[in-house]
Amino acid sequence: GAGVSQSPSNKVTEKGKDVELRCDPISGHTALYWYRQSLGQGLEFLIYFQGNSAPDKSGLPSDRFSAERTGGSVSTLTIQRTQQEDSAVYLCASSLEWGEQYFGPGTRLTVT
Amino acid sequence: ILNVEQSPQSLHVQEGDSTNFTCSFPSSNFYALHWYRWETAKSPEALFVMTLNGDEKKKGRISATLNTKEGYSYLYIKGSQPEDSATYLCAVSPGTYKYIFGTGTRLKVLA
Repeated sequence: GAGVSQSPSNKVTEKGKDVELRCDPISGHTALYWYRQSLGQGLEFLIYFQGNSAPDKSGLPSDRFSAERTGGSVSTLTIQRTQQEDSAVYLCASSLEWGEQYFGPGTRLTVT
Repeated sequence: ILNVEQSPQSLHVQEGDSTNFTCSFPSSNFYALHWYRWETAKSPEALFVMTLNGDEKKKGRISATLNTKEGYSYLYIKGSQPEDSATYLCAVSPGTYKYIFGTGTRLKVLA
């Protein structure tokens, strides 16, 4: 079956522009997570969805970051007024209930 | 804030060598520990989930142990092969739906 997919795979944007990253989880997976990995850093938790609600948004680094999930499926992570420090690989993962996470291939965001 | 530390940061081993790495975490506030393998240009892949002190898991040449009382887990690779080259990530869950990742151990197996 299809795994977790993310789009775009690469995104180069100018500082100050808004970007939208998309995640398609595995069908039927109720939990969805967003992480990012900046150069030389570990995976940083951003936000987690259970169904369409986000019980834990504690990892969002600033109010420029927002995420939504619709229909218990697709999620979008939006970064407004991008800054150079937003450059990172953004990973999405999904899981059936809690436990083993299945990761997507990531979106590499470069802010110039 | 729960801090997950992995060591070493990176290592090179010769094909056929056995190796191991460590994941350390505070022993309080522990629910589960996860190991992932992240190959270059691929997605992280789950290896093991462990919850109980003394847990041991094995998948082929890779195995892991867990000591929740002292706050560490070891990942072992027996007879390393070039295809084992990857970053090995440890994540600790202080509760359900929460994963705190370490920075990983980058393994390079030389043919």
